[in-house]
Amino acid sequence: AQSVTQLDSHVSVSEGTPVLLRCNYSSSYSPSLFWYVQHPNKGLQLLLKYTSAATLVKGINGFEAEFKKSETSFHLTKPSAHMSDAAEYFCVVSDRSGGGADGLTFGKGTHLIIQP
Amino acid sequence: DSGVTQTPKHLITATGQRVTLRCSPRSGDLSVYWYQQSLDQGLQFLIHYYNGEERAKGNILERFSAQQFPDLHSELNLSSLELGDSALYFCASSSGQGRHEQYFGPGTRLTVT
Repeated sequence: AQSVTQLDSHVSVSEGTPVLLRCNYSSSYSPSLFWYVQHPNKGLQLLLKYTSAATLVKGINGFEAEFKKSETSFHLTKPSAHMSDAAEYFCVVSDRSGGGADGLTFGKGTHLIIQP
Repeated sequence: DSGVTQTPKHLITATGQRVTLRCSPRSGDLSVYWYQQSLDQGLQFLIHYYNGEERAKGNILERFSAQQFPDLHSELNLSSLELGDSALYFCASSSGQGRHEQYFGPGTRLTVT
């Protein structure tokens, strides 16, 4: 079974300061991990993905995440927050090895607030 | 724009009724997934179709069903609606199964009164 824990339901940072959104996962297999972002009244947009290649993954809009197997973590970071980053962020795991067909397992989300 | 389309955007209906939500995947994608997003349950996987065949079920109620047609579009049917079915319903598509990233549509907001 797979699961995801997002350690913070809300994170507030000032514009221009670093962002850290924390995620821990549990998986029986070698997982694929994703971060998605959801802006108010919008669908989900893929930020980045990890699928067992490089452990440091770069995504869109300056975000990146590091896969740490020993810590079962996949934290999302950005060096400098922008007002447009205010949104809900979801850490997501899929541990099917390609032959399976399960959907994604989502964390409960972290609401990112950017203070001017 | 993800390339996944969903109709309608909004749907308001009464308890006991039946509705159909429609999804068109990205061009070339064979997999379609359905998800429900509600305040109390978060985002939950409902069902997955691959090239017309059901491949996996998640937390989908027996009152709900889905199908994927030969042109790869999919429909989610919700019947005997209850107030608790009010939610955002998302469709996602991917090129394969399992570990492939999924691309989400804009969602259908269902309100049951």
